[in-house]
Amino acid sequence: IAGITQAPTSQILAAGRRMTLRCTQDMRHNAMYWYRQDLGLGLRLIHYSNTAGTTGKGEVPDGYSVSRANTDDFPLTLASAVPSQTSVYFCASSDSGGGGEEQFFGPGTRLTVL
Amino acid sequence: LAKTTQPISMDSYEGQEVNITCSHNNIATNDYITWYQQFPSQGPRFIIQGYKTKVTNEVASLFIPADRKSSTLSLPRVSLSDTAVYYCLVGGGRGSTLGRLYFGRGTQLTVWP
Repeated sequence: IAGITQAPTSQILAAGRRMTLRCTQDMRHNAMYWYRQDLGLGLRLIHYSNTAGTTGKGEVPDGYSVSRANTDDFPLTLASAVPSQTSVYFCASSDSGGGGEEQFFGPGTRLTVL
Repeated sequence: LAKTTQPISMDSYEGQEVNITCSHNNIATNDYITWYQQFPSQGPRFIIQGYKTKVTNEVASLFIPADRKSSTLSLPRVSLSDTAVYYCLVGGGRGSTLGRLYFGRGTQLTVWP
């Protein structure tokens, strides 16, 4: 059982380029999340999805977009990367998205924008 | 907004009890309080969750006072392997938007021999 997988593991990207971070879960969870983690700032929610076909904005959504075409996949796209988007990105999922339930996290993607 | 505040770092010795407090003055009525543990180069991992009073599981206890404006994670008899960053998360109550999920900045716990 893989749980949540993220790809790539790490990436160096030139500013202005487009980049999609991939996230796949095999737990049939309805809710999925994208966080960024920066030193001294902890984890901040970028976007989330309650269920396939729906998405919502978190605390820091600017510069990012997401889609949820099916239950398993929740890609995060940076349309035109900027250096301030250098961060570690974590994808997570939870069963139904209600009741403050446990989130399961992927291993993260380390992104550097130059 | 249910922002959270935690100490940046704490030190302890093996065998001691560690208490990490998180402040969340603007917690909403239906928000839950959840604690996660994170090791270097890994994603966070669920430890414990509560709504009010006290919750205990096999690894930790969570104390929540009546006003719910703070919570304390208690780790009994820590070992070297408990060295990690601990995050407090507030939000996710039933009926609330998932966009209202706020992690604290994390507390680096270092356990010494």
